[in-house]
Formats: sequence, structure tokens, C-alpha cells
Amino acid sequence: LAKTTQPISMDSYEGQEVNITCSHNNIATNDYITWYQQFPSQGPRFIIQGYKTKVTNEVASLFIPADRKSSTLSLPRVSLSDTAVYYCLGGDQTGANNLFFGTGTRLTVIP
Amino acid sequence: ETGVTQTPRHLVMGMTNKKSLKCEQHLGHNAMYWYKQSAKKPLELMFVYNFKEQTENNSVPSRFSPECPNSSHLFLHLHTLQPEDSALYLCASSQVRVEDSYNEQFFGPGTRLTVL
Repeated sequence: LAKTTQPISMDSYEGQEVNITCSHNNIATNDYITWYQQFPSQGPRFIIQGYKTKVTNEVASLFIPADRKSSTLSLPRVSLSDTAVYYCLGGDQTGANNLFFGTGTRLTVIP
Repeated sequence: ETGVTQTPRHLVMGMTNKKSLKCEQHLGHNAMYWYKQSAKKPLELMFVYNFKEQTENNSVPSRFSPECPNSSHLFLHLHTLQPEDSALYLCASSQVRVEDSYNEQFFGPGTRLTVL
């Protein structure tokens, strides 16, 4: 199971691009990197998942370098509604799809 | 709306009460999970059910008792809880496939539990 480390908190102004970096030095060959978003008093919500290089969807982009020891979640032009906690997770190889969340990064978007 | 519902949304109980949390998923998934989220702490995985069989119990005290009667329903029975058990209890489901190392989990809105 990949242990992940990410900043505890970040602030950003509306309209800016936000990059949240996560380190996962012991990521295993078969592990994917997945990011979840959680608003207060709600369950986490899947944002994006990748294995290597770059993945983009309608919400975010995920950059994973060749050594896969880190990854960066990029949120383009954030709005106030993007204020949330963002979790970076390494994949579990047991096939049971267990997720182990760290403390996450609390992003605060400022008007 | 994630396709996973939880009831009740809020629950206040005394330490001697017995109550149950209910989770239902409408996604046709084959795995369900209970998580606990205390204030200012990471989510903690409590129980995992794959194909209605419990496959994970992360050293959860016996005052928490899960039940999975079918692949769509999951219960968490509570009895003689402690004030430190107050937390947000989240249910999730996913479709486990042997060929994949990872699958997306869909979370319900949670039950906010307060133990007096």
C-alpha cells in the first residue's frame, strides 16, 4: 500500500490554477494514483485516476512523472465551490479496493 | 446524488442505547464499505464486504457490528457506544473486478452520530 504525503492546506484566489502535489515514494508497480474531493459533511467524491504521464477530464488534470514517486493534481481556474479537502491515494493491490485516506489537503478558495 | 443512500442522516444516542445505521446502494455494485471520520482525523476504514462476505475488519471494537444481508444493503449495528465514537459514518460501494487493481468507490452522504 502506497503511503502518500501531501500539504495540509493551501489557499488560492478565484480564477487561478491550483496544483496540489502528492508524494508516494513506495508506490508499487500495479498501483494507480487516485484523487478524491470531500466537501464538509459529505462523503468523498472521485475526481481523477491515473497510472503515469498525464490524464485529463472535465474537472482536473493529473500529472505523474516517469518515476511515479509523485503526482500533481491540477485544478484549472478554481471557483469558491472548489473549496474542499483533496485526498491523494495509492492503489491497493489486494483487489479488495480498500482505500486508505491520509489527512488530505484543505484547499480554500478566496474571492 | 451518488447512488448510495444512508439513513438516518443525523443520530443522537445515549451510551446505553442500541441503534442501527442503514446504507443502500442502487448501482449494482458487489462490494460495500463502512468508514468512520472523526473531527480533524483521516477517514478510517472499518469494514469491507465483498460479495456479501466480510473481508476486512480493521480492529473495530465489538460494540460496532456490521451486517450485509445482500449486495445492495449494509447495516452498522451500534450498542453501548462511547462519546468518542461520535463521528461521521460513511458508507461506500464499488464494483470489484479481479483484473483491476483499483476501482472507484461511491460514497453516501454519511450519518452524523453523536453519543451523549
